[in-house]
Amino acid sequence: AQSVTQLDSHVSVSEGTPVLLRCNYSSSYSPSLFWYVQHPNKGLQLLLKYTSAATLVKGINGFEAEFKKSETSFHLTKPSAHMSDAAEYFCVVRLMNRDDKIIFGKGTRLHILP
Amino acid sequence: NAGVTQTPKFQVLKTGQSMTLQCAQDMNHEYMSWYRQDPGMGLRLIHYSVGAGITDQGEVPNGYNVSRSTTEDFPLRLLSAAPSQTSVYFCASNPSRYTEAFFGQGTRLTVV
Repeated sequence: AQSVTQLDSHVSVSEGTPVLLRCNYSSSYSPSLFWYVQHPNKGLQLLLKYTSAATLVKGINGFEAEFKKSETSFHLTKPSAHMSDAAEYFCVVRLMNRDDKIIFGKGTRLHILP
Repeated sequence: NAGVTQTPKFQVLKTGQSMTLQCAQDMNHEYMSWYRQDPGMGLRLIHYSVGAGITDQGEVPNGYNVSRSTTEDFPLRLLSAAPSQTSVYFCASNPSRYTEAFFGQGTRLTVV
């Protein structure tokens, strides 16, 4: 079955320290992968996307993610957290096959400690 | 740039009432979709459309209808509201089927 798993429902980091939000997927097909951010009471905003070009993808606000096919992972990182990064983050897989399924992870809430 | 506009932002319904959630986009996108977001569940696809006149069911279509008479508009109709439909609803549009989605601000619906 095709799926996407965000391994942590909550992550807390101190301001200025690195952020790591983990995402694993399972798919028999080459996927497109996305990370979205949702600030409180807001819609979802695209952070970055992987569509089979470079495996290291840079996004907005200093975030980046690396596609590792051997590990079926697409973890989101940022070298130094800022208070404004506090939000919920969603890993999304789009399967490039006939069914064209879009699968959202259940989300990771990022807390930034002062 | 308006992007994707959803109305209303908040709504309270009584069980059994019907209503329509509006979604409009001004980016000439072909692909539009509706999701519901529930705590701990991520977003689940309700219905989607690949172009005017074409709609299809997503993961959780029961209790909802959609139509797509124009490229710009993609309303979601609740036929007979139930408490299980209490959720936050998001409309999204994509330039094409395989590109990233642009989301509206959401409609928070409570069914009592």
